[in-house]
Amino acid sequence: DTAVSQTPKYLVTQMGNDKSIKCEQNLGHDTMYWYKQDSKKFLKIMFSYNNKELIINETVPNRFSPKSPDKAHLNLHINSLELGDSAVYFCASSLPFGEQFFGPGTRLTVL
Amino acid sequence: QQQVKQSPQSLIVQKGGISIINCAYENTAFDYFPWYQQFPGKGPALLIAIRPDVSEKKEGRFTISFNKSAKQFSLHIMDSQPGDSATYFCAANLEGNNLFFGTGTRLTVIP
Repeated sequence: DTAVSQTPKYLVTQMGNDKSIKCEQNLGHDTMYWYKQDSKKFLKIMFSYNNKELIINETVPNRFSPKSPDKAHLNLHINSLELGDSAVYFCASSLPFGEQFFGPGTRLTVL
Repeated sequence: QQQVKQSPQSLIVQKGGISIINCAYENTAFDYFPWYQQFPGKGPALLIAIRPDVSEKKEGRFTISFNKSAKQFSLHIMDSQPGDSATYFCAANLEGNNLFFGTGTRLTVIP
């Protein structure tokens, strides 16, 4: 069984569009995250949710909005997509103070 | 500002050799130092981790050396194998589950 899953795996879209990436974890973890990995492979945290409460927001543009309908899901909604948003987005989850388990990633390409 | 500095950017090692990747940090509040391994098209996966009260941790062929006074830590891969070819990220944790990643090292082990 996949521990952390993301959909879609690939997303190609035009500038200005709005898109969402979904994430689900079946590990029973309390905390979920979104990371962005740029073309140089640099990984940077975007958001963290603990029991449906946002606890980290690392200077991410407000075009990005995480939405957590329940403890097992953390979706990422992006408005007015820009060329610079092209990257691989990773969802992750963990127990408090525990190892972070990463999903397989969603490669977003903005044309 | 890069919280964790990692070198080298890329590394080529012969099969059976030792791979060494180095990281340095400034913030003494970091309390946990994991290493992640990432294969192409996959999410990062925890490889080995250390806490700052320990100077060395070994798991199989993988060893972390930690120098608290110098604020440096390194990953040593003994008897490197072609299957170890991947990108390796060091990271440092701050206040719970706030991970700061290094810039990554692309390791290639040639047969």
